[in-house]
Amino acid sequence: GAGVSQTPSNKVTEKGKYVELRCDPISGHTALYWYRQSLGQGPEFLIYFQGTGAADDSGLPNDRFFAVRPEGSVSTLKIQRTERGDSAVYLCASSRGQAGDNEQFFGPGTRLTVL
Amino acid sequence: KQEVTQIPAALSVPEGENLVLNCSFTDSAIYNLQWFRQDPGKGLTSLLLIQSSQREQTSGRLNASLDKSSGRSTLYIAASQPGDSATYLCAVTGNQFYFGTGTSLTVIP
Repeated sequence: GAGVSQTPSNKVTEKGKYVELRCDPISGHTALYWYRQSLGQGPEFLIYFQGTGAADDSGLPNDRFFAVRPEGSVSTLKIQRTERGDSAVYLCASSRGQAGDNEQFFGPGTRLTVL
Repeated sequence: KQEVTQIPAALSVPEGENLVLNCSFTDSAIYNLQWFRQDPGKGLTSLLLIQSSQREQTSGRLNASLDKSSGRSTLYIAASQPGDSATYLCAVTGNQFYFGTGTSLTVIP
């Protein structure tokens, strides 16, 4: 596609439920990033993929959060046993090549609300 | 840990003014710095990317500078327009990825 896409655009769930957020990067981009953004804050890094592997997952807040990118393209961020504090906008970005060399292009985000 | 600070947090200017947004970071071991704009309820739009070996980048009315040794970058916007109203974020890429909290810009017609 022309840009990074994310689905769903909005997700409302109840505390304790499981959610999956999807990211489709720009075609040909090998690097993919997940961030989350709370109101009035800058995005906070979660995880970075280079190809199929997680090159850096140090931003994942705890073991309820997990992300995969099995074929080196689409990625899914998975959150188990959601908590109200997980409510935020989850942003995905992609870039060509290595993270340090290239611009990151962002998707529109998924707004997650945990009731 | 890298800390990225943006000052001011909010700025309001009349249309036509030139303005400067500031970004400072504590660890100069970075690969690049990128400026974004974010419109309310939207994702981030990339404006300019400056590699660590570069001093500045220009795109239209925007000019971004980077002084790695002092841990500073500025985004200069010439002849501001109401359509420039948005939140501007800087992000640094080093061993990890850090964003500032942004500057909310309002350009008054």
